Amino acid sequence: AQKVTQAQTEISVVEKEDVTLDCVYETRDTTYYLFWYKQPPSGELVFLIRRNSFDEQNEISGRYSWNFQKSTSSFNFTITASQVVDSAVYFCALKDSNYQLIWGAGTKLIIKP
Amino acid sequence: EAGVTQSPTHLIKTRGQQATLRCSPISGHTSVYWYQQALGLGLQFLLWYDEGEERNRGNFPPRFSGRQFPNYSSELNVNALELEDSALYLCASSLGDSLAKNIQYFGAGTRLSVL
Repeated sequence: AQKVTQAQTEISVVEKEDVTLDCVYETRDTTYYLFWYKQPPSGELVFLIRRNSFDEQNEISGRYSWNFQKSTSSFNFTITASQVVDSAVYFCALKDSNYQLIWGAGTKLIIKP
Repeated sequence: EAGVTQSPTHLIKTRGQQATLRCSPISGHTSVYWYQQALGLGLQFLLWYDEGEERNRGNFPPRFSGRQFPNYSSELNVNALELEDSALYLCASSLGDSLAKNIQYFGAGTRLSVL
């Protein structure tokens, strides 16, 4: 069965610290997609990134970077030099042949000034 | 280009009433998804519509229903409201249902309060 685990319920760091959000997934499919979304206090989920199972290259976008490792079934998200505006709930999700997005429980990130 | 729009932003109802929530997808998107997010909880999948057809539903009672119109907009109806239905209801749209067209873009949500 498909499953996404975000073991960190809440993380609190001081501004400018680096922070990594963990995501571990389970699927029997060889073709699948992984996603990260951000949900600020306003409530709207914002799409951040999608990776497919055949592309294990790490990706960097400004202060954001993602580390996809099939060997450990992990798709971790790192924010470098965190800012207060990064405070939000971050969700990891998986989509495979089941067609439905399987969501993790979310990690609440608090960046203190 | 307009994103996913949901209306109303807030909705207050009393127990036993019916609520209707509306969603307009991004232009060109044919799939619409509904999610419920109760306070402090994750996203619970409710319904998925594509090309006017209901393709899948989550583990919710039949009093949660909806439809998709020819212009791909969608309605979520909740009958016989219960206090536990108080939540943020999020709508998302995507280009289609294939694995490759599967990025879901979300609206700002409708916050339903049942008193």
